[in-house]
Amino acid sequence: DTAVSQTPKYLVTQMGNDKSIKCEQNLGHDTMYWYKQDSKKFLKIMFSYNNKELIINETVPNRFSPKSPDKAHLNLHINSLELGDSAVYFCASSQTSGSHEQYFGPGTRLTVT
Amino acid sequence: GQQLNQSPQSMFIQEGEDVSMNCTSSSIFNTWLWYKQEPGEGPVLLIALYKAGELTSNGRLTAQFGITRKDSFLNISASIPSDVGIYFCAGHPLTGTASKLTFGTGTRLQVTL
Repeated sequence: DTAVSQTPKYLVTQMGNDKSIKCEQNLGHDTMYWYKQDSKKFLKIMFSYNNKELIINETVPNRFSPKSPDKAHLNLHINSLELGDSAVYFCASSQTSGSHEQYFGPGTRLTVT
Repeated sequence: GQQLNQSPQSMFIQEGEDVSMNCTSSSIFNTWLWYKQEPGEGPVLLIALYKAGELTSNGRLTAQFGITRKDSFLNISASIPSDVGIYFCAGHPLTGTASKLTFGTGTRLQVTL
């Protein structure tokens, strides 16, 4: 049973398009996250939701919009994709917003051409 | 913002050797975590540390929470080929936002037969 799952695994698209990445966790956790990992493997937090409420919103372009329909799901929609958006995006979850142990999904490799 | 520096950046070792790596910060942390990331996968939590001086093992892996609270160490004994990957430290600063982790720059481990 996959704990944190993401779809799709790979996403190749052209500049200017809009795309979405989906994440689901079956751990019963309250808090979910989106991270971006660049080509140098640096992991940076983008957003965090706790029970469907946004609690962390880092300096991310407005083109990125997270949505949490329920506490088990956190989706990431990206408008007007740019070349610099190419990266691996990871979803993660933790039991509560005060829990520091985060569990990661397998990642979505986004390539913008 | 806060950065975590990991050392060494990369290591090439022979199977059976022991490995040591460390992570340092410029400020005090109240939690240290160690993750391993294999190619094409998400980071997997190895060990979590919550108290200065704490020493915790997970199989052949041992991690320590430095007594200054500004560093952490990970040791791998008797390395095997499946230890290959990137090891990340992550931490929660004493005065940080709840649930927001800072990740290190990673130590890439290669194991030769």
